[in-house]
Amino acid sequence: DGGITQSPKYLFRKEGQNVTLSCEQNLNHDAMYWYRQDPGQGLRLIYYSQIVNDFQKGDIAEGYSVSREKKESFPLTVTSAQKNPTAFYLCASRRTSGALTDTQYFGPGTRLTVL
Amino acid sequence: EDKVVQSPLSLVVHEGDTVTLNCSYEVTNFRSLLWYKQEKKAPTFLFMLTSSGIEKKSGRLSSILDKKELFSILNITATQTGDSAVYLCAVVPLYNQGGKLIFGQGTELSVKP
Repeated sequence: DGGITQSPKYLFRKEGQNVTLSCEQNLNHDAMYWYRQDPGQGLRLIYYSQIVNDFQKGDIAEGYSVSREKKESFPLTVTSAQKNPTAFYLCASRRTSGALTDTQYFGPGTRLTVL
Repeated sequence: EDKVVQSPLSLVVHEGDTVTLNCSYEVTNFRSLLWYKQEKKAPTFLFMLTSSGIEKKSGRLSSILDKKELFSILNITATQTGDSAVYLCAVVPLYNQGGKLIFGQGTELSVKP
């Protein structure tokens, strides 16, 4: 089955700790995205990558870091510098050629809680 | 600044009712508008609209775009409890670096039996 997987589903972290969220896709999509969702708000873009070994900051990149060493994988690290990290994190991917290139497909999300 | 606004923010209806969800946008050089349904986890894609006045339809769901008035509506007829979800609207600007989506806040729909 083709799709996007995120792990873990739930994650608890103590203040001051870095944590890495996994995102893997087997859709052969070039572009990948990380969003943060808070209650009552829409999705806000953290980082995105259009090609391996390249990525750009989104609207709320402070306190986060990413890497894109493989086409299939786009892990997100939430660092201790992120002031309010408790949120629902969604990963998405998109094809960059062919039909429906504007459409992003989402993984199931990781709910991060900082204790 | 590009902006997408959805209304209402939340809505409670009974099974069998028809609902209309609204999405208005202020985007420089519009390219497309997307609707997603989010049930507790991954948003799932519903429709993409690019042309004004052409209705997209899938079962009981339909959507239409008005590029002159800068809005889209999502209609759900004969609602069922399984339609309960957050419905997200997102816009893609024409000169869009990286394929970024601009999301509205979402409309939370609750369908009571």
